[in-house]
Amino acid sequence: LAKTTQPISMDSYEGQEVNITCSHNNIATNDYITWYQQFPSQGPRFIIQGYKTKVTNEVASLFIPADRKSSTLSLPRVSLSDTAVYYCLVGPSGNTGKLIFGQGTTLQVKP
Amino acid sequence: GAVVSQHPSWVICKSGTSVKIECRSLDFQATTMFWYRQFPKQSLMLMATSNEGSKATYEQGVEKDKFLINHASLTLSTLTVTSAHPEDSSFYICSAPTVGRMTEAFFGQGTRLTVV
Repeated sequence: LAKTTQPISMDSYEGQEVNITCSHNNIATNDYITWYQQFPSQGPRFIIQGYKTKVTNEVASLFIPADRKSSTLSLPRVSLSDTAVYYCLVGPSGNTGKLIFGQGTTLQVKP
Repeated sequence: GAVVSQHPSWVICKSGTSVKIECRSLDFQATTMFWYRQFPKQSLMLMATSNEGSKATYEQGVEKDKFLINHASLTLSTLTVTSAHPEDSSFYICSAPTVGRMTEAFFGQGTRLTVV
């Protein structure tokens, strides 16, 4: 499974847009990029998944450049409740579902 | 949407005793489930793969005799921490992948184990 690199932590203020970038230089052709969110003392929650270009849902957008060696999770107008750890994972769709988590990015949203 | 339920949410046990944690898929069948452990301010670490009807597969460094996994039905996997010690205190999380989209997993709410 491709290794990912993310910033350890980020700070933001309420109402701002937050972009978290993940590097995955060794991504394979059949790999998808998936982001999870984890609040303290809870299990991770799926946010978004993409393969290329841009994916948007009601929670976030995921931008993936043509070379797919990185991706950016974009959270529009964050609130205090978006304070969490965000994990970027890379892996093939159709595998066993075995997920290897990297260090994640701790996002702290301030009032 | 698919839901994975874990029980209990927290447990405190005495050193030397065993603790069982249950993981249930509530509205879908899961032939495979996964168990993770997470220490404070650290990432999730995969412990083992639970396979319905067969033996679990453990990650390197995880003691299979200490962390007993049973996946007796398509909706239930259990993790038993045997002869627990304070160093086993951690946050245990299970997950189950969704059919057809195997990198999109649903996670239980986690179990906080404290061994005293």
